[in-house]
This record gives sequence, structure tokens and C-alpha cells, in this order.
Amino acid sequence: QKEVEQDPGPLSVPEGAIVSLNCTYSNSAFQYFMWYRQYSRKGPELLMYTYSSGNKEDGRFTAQVDKSSKYISLFIRDSQPSDSATYLCAMSVGGNKLVFGAGTILRVKS
Amino acid sequence: EPEVTQTPSHQVTQMGQEVILRCVPISNHLYFYWYRQILGQKVEFLVSFYNNEISEKSEIFDDQFSVERPDGSNFTLKIRSTKLEDSAMYFCASSQGVGRNSPLHFGNGTRLTVT
Repeated sequence: QKEVEQDPGPLSVPEGAIVSLNCTYSNSAFQYFMWYRQYSRKGPELLMYTYSSGNKEDGRFTAQVDKSSKYISLFIRDSQPSDSATYLCAMSVGGNKLVFGAGTILRVKS
Repeated sequence: EPEVTQTPSHQVTQMGQEVILRCVPISNHLYFYWYRQILGQKVEFLVSFYNNEISEKSEIFDDQFSVERPDGSNFTLKIRSTKLEDSAMYFCASSQGVGRNSPLHFGNGTRLTVT
């Protein structure tokens, strides 16, 4: 079983849709959970950073962590064409050695 | 907003040559990292660096790799004798601390092509 699993997509949605992106993981020691956005030929850009279980909201973005199910989600409300990118989940045990998912390609059509 | 900057954006080198990839981390950050992403694959951890020494490294980071903070602002990754399989995007990252409230911020990467 891979340490972090993420459906690579692509996921194609119409503008204004709610997008749900997910990752599952196998290492129960992970405590820090991140979502990064990566545009083509750019570095990962931090979107959301959560510690342990629960929800966190920032504008149109909501991150959810369910440690009992080893499952994390990122929701994007009112999706825009500019949200088209690859979304990477990442997690760590305690230091900053991040383990990344494969990334989900999102396409928002206008 | 402060950012991590990397140079060059693209480096082409011949197999067996040495390359140095350069990074300027965010100025008040204390922890520095290199990650790489082979085309079509996941972003992978290479090494973390704090207080002028390596704090953790992955299996990928073998004796061909080294890191250095030669002055107060730069952080470098050296590959002594490049192989074809070293072709990848190399990302530098930095953070203020470790763990809570200290996420990593990444640069835009150096694309290394080994021919």
C-alpha cells in the first residue's frame, strides 16, 4: 500500500462548481496535513495547512482531516478557471519531511 | 510577499558533469530543504538543513549530493557527477521552524536536464 494515495484525475468541472479533492494515507503517525497548488512549470504553492483532525476554512477553500479514516479532503467553492492546476496533498509526522501525493489535475471550464 | 528564489530556472548538463543549483530562502527562515520531482512522478524529499548541518536526508541523497549554505543568504545543492536519472525539477523550500505553524514555502524550481 502506498503511503499517500491521490487520484491523478484529470477532474473537469464547470465554472462555479464545488470541487472535492481527496487523499488517503496509511501512516497513522502523520499529524500535519497540507494542500499545495502547482501551476505548470511552477513550484508548489501552499493553500492550506492543518494540524491533526478537523476542518479549516480560508475563503473559498475548506480543508478537512479525518484521522480515524486516514482521509483528507480539500473543497473549493465557486470554482474559477484560474483554479485550474494540479493540487498536491502532503503530510508529515512532525518534522518537515513531507510525503506528497501524486497530485490531482483540475480543469475548470468557463 | 517574501518568496524563495531559485537559479537557474533551467540547467542542461552532460552526464558526469558537476552542477550546482542555487536558492535564496525566505530571509527569516531557519530550515532549508531540497525536494525533487521527476517528470510525471511525485515530489520527493531529498534533504533538510538546519544550523549549518544536514538534519535529515532520504535514500536518494547519496554521496553524489551535497548541500551548503555558503553565506547568510544562499543555499546550494551540488551534484558531483550527474547521471541521466538525475534529470528532474529540483525545488528548494524553507520554513521558519518545524511542525506547527511552520509550513514549507517552495521556490519555482530548477529544471535539470542531463544529456
